[in-house]
Amino acid sequence: EAGVTQSPTHLIKTRGQQATLRCSPISGHTSVYWYQQALGLGLQFLLWYDEGEERNRGNFPPRFSGRQFPNYSSELNVNALELEDSALYLCASSLVAGAYQPQHFGDGTRLSIL
Amino acid sequence: AQSVTQLDSQVPVFEEAPVELRCNYSSSVSVYLFWYVQYPNQGLQLLLKYLSGSTLVKGINGFEAEFNKSQTSFHLRKPSVHISDTAEYFCAVSDGGSQGNLIFGKGTKLSVKP
Repeated sequence: EAGVTQSPTHLIKTRGQQATLRCSPISGHTSVYWYQQALGLGLQFLLWYDEGEERNRGNFPPRFSGRQFPNYSSELNVNALELEDSALYLCASSLVAGAYQPQHFGDGTRLSIL
Repeated sequence: AQSVTQLDSQVPVFEEAPVELRCNYSSSVSVYLFWYVQYPNQGLQLLLKYLSGSTLVKGINGFEAEFNKSQTSFHLRKPSVHISDTAEYFCAVSDGGSQGNLIFGKGTKLSVKP
């Protein structure tokens, strides 16, 4: 069974640009989650999509947005990039929505802002 | 709101020695607990989970954890560590609500020395 796949592996942008990160969940999983892992800040929840709808978002500004497609894959968009957006962005998926459902993570996209 | 505290940011230990990584969470009516491991330049891998039932949970790679409701703890243990266990370990909680996301501790870096 293929795991959660994320692309690209690395992404280098400059301040003010826009970045798009992509995630394909494990086959059959309908829920997708995005987390930011920034140096010194730990893992912080960004967004949760389930059945194509945004179900919850963390404490991040509106320039962080995303969507989930009919095939349950997802993309995360970050507009007006700032230096502090440099981080590892992790995508996770779960079989269905539910607090008891373990989340399975991809290897992440490392976003570097110059 | 839920919170997770991992009491040790770094734990050095010699190979074949036992190890305990500590995790405390803020109390809640219902809670689901998880331990994840992150190897360098990789995403998070699920080690084990507590959903209900037996308070002693066994996971992969010889790890186990004990859920203690009265002390709101979920400490991770391994009786004999290997060099390959060197990684960062994250405790996470989901509070059973509708938010869906995991709340992570700051992580504990386990360093196994020969």
